[in-house]
Amino acid sequence: EAGVAQSPRYKIIEKRQSVAFWCNPISGHATLYWYQQILGQGPKLLIQFQNNGVVDDSQLPKDRFSAERLKGVDSTLKIQPAKLEDSAVYLCASGTLQNTGELFFGEGSRLTVL
Amino acid sequence: GENVEQHPSTLSVQEGDSAVIKCTYSDSASNYFPWYKQELGKGPQLIIDIRSNVGEKKDQRIAVTLNKTAKHFSLHITETQPEDSAVYFCAAGDKLIFGTGTRLQVFP
Repeated sequence: EAGVAQSPRYKIIEKRQSVAFWCNPISGHATLYWYQQILGQGPKLLIQFQNNGVVDDSQLPKDRFSAERLKGVDSTLKIQPAKLEDSAVYLCASGTLQNTGELFFGEGSRLTVL
Repeated sequence: GENVEQHPSTLSVQEGDSAVIKCTYSDSASNYFPWYKQELGKGPQLIIDIRSNVGEKKDQRIAVTLNKTAKHFSLHITETQPEDSAVYFCAAGDKLIFGTGTRLQVFP
């Protein structure tokens, strides 16, 4: 079974530039999550989708971050404009049960903002 | 909202010894408590989880205990091996709030 795919793996940009990350969840998984993991910290939930609808985006900085899940499958996370404090690994995860159940994480996209 | 505290932040053990990582949570309504292992350059991977209707769960060398009254849960790894070296995260709540992680090093 193919895992959660993310791209790009690494991205370096200057502050005020924009960046987009892509996630392809495990086939058939209804829930999709984007987490931000700053170095030395645990993952922090940014947004949760159930199919193509948003379940929770309360922690998403909506002035600069946006996310969508096209047709309930792939998802993109965009940051515009980026700030230095956005440097982190952005993890995508998918699951079969809303709220409680195993999450399957991708390897993440590491963003460095200079 | 939920708040999860995890300790210790680092843990070094000799191969074959046991390791224990502890977490506390704040929301008494939380009923799902997973543990994830994260190796360098990879995403977290679920290793064991427990729900609030049980007090302990084992899977080979790994066990998790839950004390709902005290609002804490612990990960126990017995007979540690070098490949157990990684960062371990606890989580709690329906929004899966993660702890700050424990870096476990197992020395041969």
